[in-house]
Amino acid sequence: SQQGEEDPQALSIQEGENATMNCSYKTSINNLQWYRQNSGRGLVHLILIRSNEREKHSGRLRVTLDTSKKSSSLLITASRAADTASYFCATSYGQNFVFGPGTRLSVLP
Amino acid sequence: SQTIHQWPATLVQPVGSPLSLECTVEGTSNPNLYWYRQAAGRGLQLLFYSVGIGQISSEVPQNLSASRPQDRQFILSSKKLLLSDSGFYLCAWSPIGGLSSYNEQFFGPGTRLTVL
Repeated sequence: SQQGEEDPQALSIQEGENATMNCSYKTSINNLQWYRQNSGRGLVHLILIRSNEREKHSGRLRVTLDTSKKSSSLLITASRAADTASYFCATSYGQNFVFGPGTRLSVLP
Repeated sequence: SQTIHQWPATLVQPVGSPLSLECTVEGTSNPNLYWYRQAAGRGLQLLFYSVGIGQISSEVPQNLSASRPQDRQFILSSKKLLLSDSGFYLCAWSPIGGLSSYNEQFFGPGTRLTVL
C-alpha cells in the first residue's frame, strides 16, 4: 500500500530540546506533507515538500525528503510545551492523500 | 478567505439508527472534498473523495455513503449504524488540480461519533 508510516509512535522530550520524527512510504509520490493535530481537533497543515525537493524550512520546522529511501523527517527545534500534539505525514498521489498513523509528541515543561 | 464547517461536533447514536454528517466549504469554488475517519489514537482512513458535484469515489467498502449535492457541500450518511462506525470523522478540502498543483488539504474541526 501507499501508506506512510511514522516513527517513533510516541516521543517525549523536555522543553528546549529538538524533536525528530520520521516517515517512510512505499511508492512514488507527488509530494509529502506534514500535519499537526491537537487532541480532538482537526488537522493543521505544517509544511509540504515536493518530490524534487530535498529540504525545506518553515520557522522552527525543518523537513527533509529522501526519495531514494522513500523517507522523510520532520525536525522541530527548540521545542515548546505548545508543540505537544500528534504529527502525521501524508503522501500525495493524484487527487488522493494517504496518512500515516502519526507520532504523539509530548513536550514537558 | 476559505473556511470549512462540519456539524454536529459530537453525536451519540444507537446501533441501527441513520446518520447524516454535513460539511460545507466557503470561499472557494470546485474544491476536491474528502471524508476521513480516525479511530482513537490512530491515523486517518480515507473514506470518500469527490472531485465534483455528484462525483464520489469510495476508498473503503462499508455501510457508509457520501453525496455531493452542491459544489461546496459534502454529506456522509448511513442507513444503519454499526458499533464499529464510532470514531472521529473529518472533512477536508483541497484546491482542484493536477499532479503539479499545490494540493495542501484543509481540515474541518471534526465530528466525534459514538455508536452505542
